[in-house]
Amino acid sequence: EDQVTQSPEALRLQEGESSSLNCSYTVSGLRGLFWYRQDPGKGPEFLFTLYSAGEEKEKERLKATLTKKESFLHITAPKPEDSATYLCAVQALQSMDSNYQLIWGAGTKLIIKP
Amino acid sequence: DGGITQSPKYLFRKEGQNVTLSCEQNLNHDAMYWYRQDPGQGLRLIYYSQIVNDFQKGDIAEGYSVSREKKESFPLTVTSAQKNPTAFYLCASTLYGGSSYNEQFFGPGTRLTVL
Repeated sequence: EDQVTQSPEALRLQEGESSSLNCSYTVSGLRGLFWYRQDPGKGPEFLFTLYSAGEEKEKERLKATLTKKESFLHITAPKPEDSATYLCAVQALQSMDSNYQLIWGAGTKLIIKP
Repeated sequence: DGGITQSPKYLFRKEGQNVTLSCEQNLNHDAMYWYRQDPGQGLRLIYYSQIVNDFQKGDIAEGYSVSREKKESFPLTVTSAQKNPTAFYLCASTLYGGSSYNEQFFGPGTRLTVL
């Protein structure tokens, strides 16, 4: 069964303390892996798409990496405004009728204390 | 400005009542989706539509209905058959890239509460 697991469920960091969030996946072929940021009471905001192992993408203090089994979202010197829930989703190589569906993880709630 | 709008932001439903959530996009995206989000869980797909006048059930379609009469609009009706509708509902859309769909973009959400 296709599955996406995110860890930890919650992460508290001090401002400036770098860390990583994990998204591990089990799918029968990966078409793409997506990272989103979600603030409380709002819709998810798209961050990155990764397509193949070894690929990396960066945006400000965030850097996403991908291996054949997992993806990491590295956050460097975070600020309080980086506090949010980070969601990971995978698009699997399924039949043509369902190649647009995403499998979602439950998210990691990140809290950055000033 | 291009984007996805959802209305209302908050919605209250009485027992036995049907309610409709609105979703409109002006991004000229092909596919549209409805998700349900509950605390501590990943997004769960309710319905999706790739083209006008066509839609498919997702993982949790029971108690919900949709229509896609226009490319820009994909309303969701929560019927009285949905026994636990209190949740945060998210609408999304995406552009077809020729061989697959690209990243999904989301609206601001509607929070539905059963009284």
